[in-house]
Amino acid sequence: AQKVTQAQTEISVVEKEDVTLDCVYETRDTTYYLFWYKQPPSGELVFLIRRNSFDEQNEISGRYSWNFQKSTSSFNFTITASQVVDSAVYFCALSDGADSNYQLIWGAGTKLIIKP
Amino acid sequence: EPEVTQTPSHQVTQMGQEVILRCVPISNHLYFYWYRQILGQKVEFLVSFYNNEISEKSEIFDDQFSVERPDGSNFTLKIRSTKLEDSAMYFCASSPLAGRPYEQFFGPGTRLTVL
Repeated sequence: AQKVTQAQTEISVVEKEDVTLDCVYETRDTTYYLFWYKQPPSGELVFLIRRNSFDEQNEISGRYSWNFQKSTSSFNFTITASQVVDSAVYFCALSDGADSNYQLIWGAGTKLIIKP
Repeated sequence: EPEVTQTPSHQVTQMGQEVILRCVPISNHLYFYWYRQILGQKVEFLVSFYNNEISEKSEIFDDQFSVERPDGSNFTLKIRSTKLEDSAMYFCASSPLAGRPYEQFFGPGTRLTVL
């Protein structure tokens, strides 16, 4: 069965620190997709990244970077030089196999608090 | 940039009443979804919809729920007789058939409060 685990319920750091949000997933499929979404206090879900299972290259987008490790079934998200505006709940999600019609299986989320 | 829209942003209803949550997906998208997020909890899949029929539904999506695409642009979620535990944020999402089918674009959500 598919499962996404975000073990960190809440992380609090001071602005400008780097922070890594962990995501571990379980799936039996060889083809799958992993996502990160941001949910700011306003409540909407903001897409950050999609990664497919055949592409293990790490990705960097500005202050954001993602580390995909198939060997450990992890897809961790790092924010470099954090800012107060990064404060939000971050969700990792998995979509696998044609049978599932691409529904997203979500982790519990990590609440990130960036203190000034 | 095209976006998914949802109305209303907040709905308050009495227990036992019917509610209809509305969504307008991105116009060239063909897969549609409803998700639910109870306050402070994770997002949960409710139902997916393709080619004018339900593709898949979760255990949450019982007989009290129904979805419809009445006019080719709107995508609605109906809850026939609301319960207190239906209070949640409801998100609609859409996804294109070709190109990047696994990226789902979410609407801003409708907060449903059942009293």
